[in-house]
Amino acid sequence: DTGVSQNPRHKITKRGQNVTFRCDPISEHNRLYWYRQTLGQGPEFLTYFQNEAQLEKSRLLSDRFSAERPKGSFSTLEIQRTEQGDSAMYLCASSSNEQFFGPGTRLTVL
Amino acid sequence: GDSVTQMEGPVTLSEEAFLTINCTYTATGYPSLFWYVQYPGEGLQLLLKATKADDKGSNKGFEATYRKETTSFHLEKGSVQVSDSAVYFCALSDLRTGANSKLTFGKGITLSVRP
Repeated sequence: DTGVSQNPRHKITKRGQNVTFRCDPISEHNRLYWYRQTLGQGPEFLTYFQNEAQLEKSRLLSDRFSAERPKGSFSTLEIQRTEQGDSAMYLCASSSNEQFFGPGTRLTVL
Repeated sequence: GDSVTQMEGPVTLSEEAFLTINCTYTATGYPSLFWYVQYPGEGLQLLLKATKADDKGSNKGFEATYRKETTSFHLEKGSVQVSDSAVYFCALSDLRTGANSKLTFGKGITLSVRP
């Protein structure tokens, strides 16, 4: 299967811990996006990479959040000092034109 | 900034009923418009899209027409099936070359179809 994959699918952590999520995009796609989706809402844009360059970050991406795409392939999203308000589904999408979404990582902060 | 407004849900219909889900948008540029669907337990999938005014996107019996004059992109289906039960999201994006084509989504609406 050559779709977008995300790991882990679920993460439960305690408040104050750091977490890291991984996204593996479709191999020929040079654009990669991270979104956050909370219950009852549509996905909200967090950040965007073109190849390895992070070209835009949303105001939603506080200083506790950092994303990387070191070789222009997979990407990681790290959240430091997690808060209960960080609980959400984190979605990754890749595109050359149309965006294809991964299954998401559901984060629960206790 | 850009925004998408969807009608309030949820929506419950009987099989073979006609479906309309309203979507209106606000955008500074000339966006492309999309409907995404999320089936239970699955990821977001593109259902259909339209990239310019008066374009009609269609897929799996669903249709939506890009109406620039009313800034709308309403989703319709003539006869829904139980398998259409899902969450539907309207979205917009700027697909100009070189632009960050991030998607701006509406809140989504849950459709349940009864046999």
